[in-house]
Amino acid sequence: DTGVSQDPRHKITKRGQNVTFRCDPISEHNRLYWYRQTLGQGPEFLTYFQNEAQLEKSRLLSDRFSAERPKGSFSTLEIQRTEQGDSAMYLCASSLSGELFFGEGSRLTVL
Amino acid sequence: AQKVTQAQTEISVVEKEDVTLDCVYETRDTTYYLFWYKQPPSGELVFLIRRNSFDEQNEISGRYSWNFQKSTSSFNFTITASQVVDSAVYFCALSVAGAGSYQLTFGKGTKLSVIP
Repeated sequence: DTGVSQDPRHKITKRGQNVTFRCDPISEHNRLYWYRQTLGQGPEFLTYFQNEAQLEKSRLLSDRFSAERPKGSFSTLEIQRTEQGDSAMYLCASSLSGELFFGEGSRLTVL
Repeated sequence: AQKVTQAQTEISVVEKEDVTLDCVYETRDTTYYLFWYKQPPSGELVFLIRRNSFDEQNEISGRYSWNFQKSTSSFNFTITASQVVDSAVYFCALSVAGAGSYQLTFGKGTKLSVIP
């Protein structure tokens, strides 16, 4: 499968715990995006990487969120001290020139 | 700031009926791109189409067609002879060329149910 892959697909955690999601983009795609989608809403932009550089962050990305893309390949999104409001689907997308190709997402449930 | 409005929250049609999903956008940029994505129950967003702001030609792809009208800031999506497999949430999205990231601003989506 040469699409965008995300891991884990589902994560249930207790409030206050840390969680980390991984995204493997399509090979050779230099742009990588993280979005968050809550029930009944469209995806909302969180952050963007071009190669290994994080070039843009949404105000939705609080200090508890951190994203990395070492070596410009896979990316991780970590949420520290999770809150119930963090429960959502976290979507990763990659792009080479225009169209964004999305993974199946990582669903987070914070109890 | 960019904004995308999909006024139809849910639509139900009987199989083989035609259905149009509405999308209205707002932007001050003169160069922008419009997209439609399909999100089936599995959750993955599937890219359907991209149009740039300088190309107002309507496009047809099989049973799908798109009507882009700059005068009304609309980019509507029509499915002809709908099928059960078309049941999904459809999102309209916008990106502007001035933003280096080409990040997408999504509407809230329209849930389409096609009844056999």
